[in-house]
Amino acid sequence: DAGVTQSPTHLIKTRGQQVTLRCSPKSGHDTVSWYQQALGQGPQFIFQYYEEEERQRGNFPDRFSGHQFPNYSSELNVNALLLGDSALYLCASSLGYPGQIKETQYFGPGTRLLVL
Amino acid sequence: AQSVTQLGSHVSVSEGALVLLRCNYSSSVPPYLFWYVQYPNQGLQLLLKYTTGATLVKGINGFEAEFKKSETSFHLTKPSAHMSDAAEYFCAVSVRDDKIIFGKGTRLHILP
Repeated sequence: DAGVTQSPTHLIKTRGQQVTLRCSPKSGHDTVSWYQQALGQGPQFIFQYYEEEERQRGNFPDRFSGHQFPNYSSELNVNALLLGDSALYLCASSLGYPGQIKETQYFGPGTRLLVL
Repeated sequence: AQSVTQLGSHVSVSEGALVLLRCNYSSSVPPYLFWYVQYPNQGLQLLLKYTTGATLVKGINGFEAEFKKSETSFHLTKPSAHMSDAAEYFCAVSVRDDKIIFGKGTRLHILP
């Protein structure tokens, strides 16, 4: 039973560019959440997707957007990259409607993004 | 709103000694509380989780935590530290297991 997978593992971009990160949830899970973990900090919630819609959002600008596909996989897009966007981006999957989660969140290994 | 405060960004213990990592939370509703561990260059692994019921929660790798509502605490303990326990530990809170709010983390160092 595959856990949460993320791609790519590492990415280097320059300021102003756009990036897309991908996440496949744990088998059977239907909710995907994204977190940003800056160096030396705890993860911060970006947003959560369920039934292909954004259900909750943290305190992140509109440059951060996402998508969930019918197979429950998800993408995180960041436009107009800033140096401060350099971080580990973690995807987590869970089962159940936001607010009525039936199985706890499992985290993927993350994508490390470096913006130069 | 929920928040988490982890006391001590770095904790050092000798191998075989007691591990105690402190966490205090704030929540306006009954919280779900978590401890996660992160090894270098890896994602987060759930150590243990409190939802309701028994306040002493046992997790993986010999760790346990006790939910104390009166003290708004959820400290993590392990009776005897092992070198393999060296990692970053995150305390976290959520409402009904929804979006998770993390503390800043405590790096645990194990001294030989």
